[in-house]
Order: sequence, then C-alpha cells, then structure tokens
Amino acid sequence: QVLLVESGGGLVKPGGSLRLSCAASGFTFSDYYMSWIRQAPGKGPEWVSYISSSGATTYYADSVKGRFTISRDNARNSLYLQVNSLRAEDTAVFYCVRDGPYCGADCYLDYWGQGTLVTVSS
Amino acid sequence: EIVLTQSPGTLSLSPGDRATLSCRASQSVSNNHLAWYQQKPGQAPRLLIYGATSRATGIPDRFSGSGSGTDFTLTISRLEPEDFAVYYCQQYGTSRTFGQGTKVEIK
Repeated sequence: QVLLVESGGGLVKPGGSLRLSCAASGFTFSDYYMSWIRQAPGKGPEWVSYISSSGATTYYADSVKGRFTISRDNARNSLYLQVNSLRAEDTAVFYCVRDGPYCGADCYLDYWGQGTLVTVSS
Repeated sequence: EIVLTQSPGTLSLSPGDRATLSCRASQSVSNNHLAWYQQKPGQAPRLLIYGATSRATGIPDRFSGSGSGTDFTLTISRLEPEDFAVYYCQQYGTSRTFGQGTKVEIK
C-alpha cells in the first residue's frame, strides 16, 4: 500500500531553517509528481510546492517563493523540502502528498502522509 | 487565483440524514478539475472525489460529487457516524487552491 512518512519538523526560531523529508513506499515513486501541503492550526490546507516526476520542474506558492526549495531523490524514493527564513506564520503541519496519476502540473492529491509539525517561535 | 467559497461553514445533522455541501468558484474551473477531501481531527485529509464526479479508490457510494463551471456539490446520501468531519474542496484547473472547509457535526 502507498505509504508516505514525513520527518524533520520541530521548533525553530524566526529566521531559522529546517529540512523536511518524506520516505515513500508502495508505489513507483519516480512515476509521480509530488507535493508539499501545509495546514496551519485550525485552518484549511494550503498548497506549498510541487515537483515533477523527474525533478526537472518545480513550482511554489507565492507565500514561500524564494524561501523554500523542493527536491527529490528517485533512487532513494524520497522527497525533501528545505525551509529557510522561517516566520511565525509558517507554523503548520507539513504534509507530503502524492499527486494523482496522469495529471501533469495541476492535480488532485490522492495519498497523504501523516504530517510533520513545524513550529516557528522565539 | 481562483477563490473557492464553501457553504455552509457548519452543517448540523443526524446520522441517516442527507448532507449537501457547496463549493463555489470565483471563476470557471477548467475541465471541472475539482476534488473533495474529508479530514477527521488529528488526521490527514483523505481524497473522496476528483474530476468533480469520480469517486476515489475505496470511497463508499454514499459519497457523490456533481456540478460544473463554478458551482459544485458534494452529497452524502445517508450520514454514517464516521462521516462527521470537515470537508474541503480543491480546484486544480488553474494552479491549485483549497476552499476554507465545511464542518459536518452531529446535531
């Protein structure tokens, strides 16, 4: 079965950095676009970034452009999100999510990990 | 950016009732690329419907999606106890945006 397991979250001071990781299993990772979605406490989901199956194409929400970097290692079945210059408003659960098949750039999200909490506070 | 507005904010119903949730887009959603998700407390969202009307794998047939253009509906024909949750719509016709959610609570 599809399994996505995130790690790397934690408490960080404003301006700090973290590297979030996602280990994928149960499907051919290199065939799928992947995304990071975040959800602030008590709020709805917010799409953060996606990456194409090969890693050649990436896209970011305006709110994180220039601060966050998505990447993947298809040999290790892993997805990453480097988050820099963190702000209090970045506090959220970050989910690793698989895009649906055959979509291309814009897609629905068919499998979600359980999430990793990032808390930005001094 | 396409803004999705969900209504009502909260729906108070009893098990066995029919639930009708609305998702309205600020402009037409290309190719009816509209999905619905269910989220229970402490859990990740789960895909219910994609392409406005197609049920995801393993989703019971009491869940159905309809609509086109700017107006979409998620219907739960008979609420089961496990269906009380928050529901989100998401469009992927032009970039990707989520609605703010509808909470279905026990009356």
